[in-house]
Amino acid sequence: QVRLVESGGGVVQPGRSLRLSCTGSGFTFSNNDMHWVRQAPGRGLEWVAIIGYDGRKIYYGDSVKGRFSISRDNSKNMLFLQMNSLRPEDTAIYYCAKAVMGPLAATGPLRPPSEFGGQGTLVTVSS
Amino acid sequence: TVVTQEPSLTVSPGGTVTLTCASSTGTVTSRFYPNWFQQRPGQAPRALIYSTGDRHSWTPARFSGALLGGKAALTLAGAQPEDEAEYYCLLYYGDSQSWVFGGGTKLTVL
Repeated sequence: QVRLVESGGGVVQPGRSLRLSCTGSGFTFSNNDMHWVRQAPGRGLEWVAIIGYDGRKIYYGDSVKGRFSISRDNSKNMLFLQMNSLRPEDTAIYYCAKAVMGPLAATGPLRPPSEFGGQGTLVTVSS
Repeated sequence: TVVTQEPSLTVSPGGTVTLTCASSTGTVTSRFYPNWFQQRPGQAPRALIYSTGDRHSWTPARFSGALLGGKAALTLAGAQPEDEAEYYCLLYYGDSQSWVFGGGTKLTVL
């Protein structure tokens, strides 16, 4: 079955950088668009970014645009999130998610998340 | 852009409840491709509905999605104790090529 495991979280000072990773298994990683979604402690979900199956389609949420960069390595079944200029409000659990499969006419121009990593990885931005 | 959901709702076991999802930009249509997610405490989110009313293969039939009165809606018919959770909607905004989550609805089955 689909398995997504996030890693790379930790405590980092404001203004510094951190790189998150997500390893996928149990599905054909290279055929799937992938997302990052985050959740601040005690708060709701926030969509962060999407990358197309081949890495060519990339879009970001407004709060991370210009600071975060999503990428992937299909040869290793891995998804990444490079987070720069971190702020205290970036403190959250970060989940990677596999996108819904199917034609864009049925799912939307950006295929939405369907299956999430089980635990996420916690990023704490604090001095 | 703000996506608004009821902060909390209560349903009796076996009862029916409808959760709604509104957009600050106006009427929600199928072009927002509404999605719904369930999140139990301490767990990762689980997708329930995509493209307004399409269930994932794992979604129980008691969950259904539709457009209702200018909003996206998730109806739970025959609530079970295990349905007590936070529910989030997700809307697509073509102008900004982005997805936006609603603030969530805490559903209590009591």
